[in-house]
Amino acid sequence: QVQLQESGPGLVKPSQTLSLICTVSGGSISSGTYYWSWIRQPAGKGLEWFGRIHTSGTTDYNPSLKSRVTISVDTSKNQFSLKLSSVTAADTAVYYCARGGGYCSSASCWNWYFDLWGRGTLVTVSS
Amino acid sequence: DIVMTQSPDSLAVSLGERAAINCKSSQNVLYSSDNKNYLAWYQQKPGQPPKLLIYWASTRESGVPDRFSGSGSGTDFTLTISSLQAGDVAVYYCQQYYSTPYTFGQGTKLEIK
Repeated sequence: QVQLQESGPGLVKPSQTLSLICTVSGGSISSGTYYWSWIRQPAGKGLEWFGRIHTSGTTDYNPSLKSRVTISVDTSKNQFSLKLSSVTAADTAVYYCARGGGYCSSASCWNWYFDLWGRGTLVTVSS
Repeated sequence: DIVMTQSPDSLAVSLGERAAINCKSSQNVLYSSDNKNYLAWYQQKPGQPPKLLIYWASTRESGVPDRFSGSGSGTDFTLTISSLQAGDVAVYYCQQYYSTPYTFGQGTKLEIK
């Protein structure tokens, strides 16, 4: 059974870089079948998709955040990560990693829904 | 970006009664090449991550009770719970995966009347 788990600092100072890791267990991220995504949710608010990555290194980012976001993958550790630079209080949220955003067969890749989510990690931006 | 708008924002339904949540996309999410609607529904209970209920607008995820159903096509979609149970109290979100950036509706809070 594939599971995802976010990890990283719960408190980040304004103007610094937020860094989170998602560790995938119970399955290999290297299979290349899925894309892997980051999504966040400010307290009491809705869901915002950051972007997705495939193990090939292909990424897509939300243009609203693109200048500040980097998503990368480490297949040797079965992990993918999120970096968000120049954070402000508005970036305080629960951050989720999720499987999905894309699905690939040998022939092609398609946009895809999010079928597995991590439990989420609260990141607070405050001095 | 495709804007997803849900209605109502909140809904109170009696146990055993039917609940319906609507979702409207600002653009068509029906992909002509495969005739699929790129629309999913999620359920989120307090303190938990969203849980996938429905994908391709009407396909139930494995393990989801059959009282949950999805319908609609193009730009207008509905999530229906045929007989509300106490455990269905949650916030429900629709999401389009037709094009990036993927976007979610604002959520509908479902409560027991």
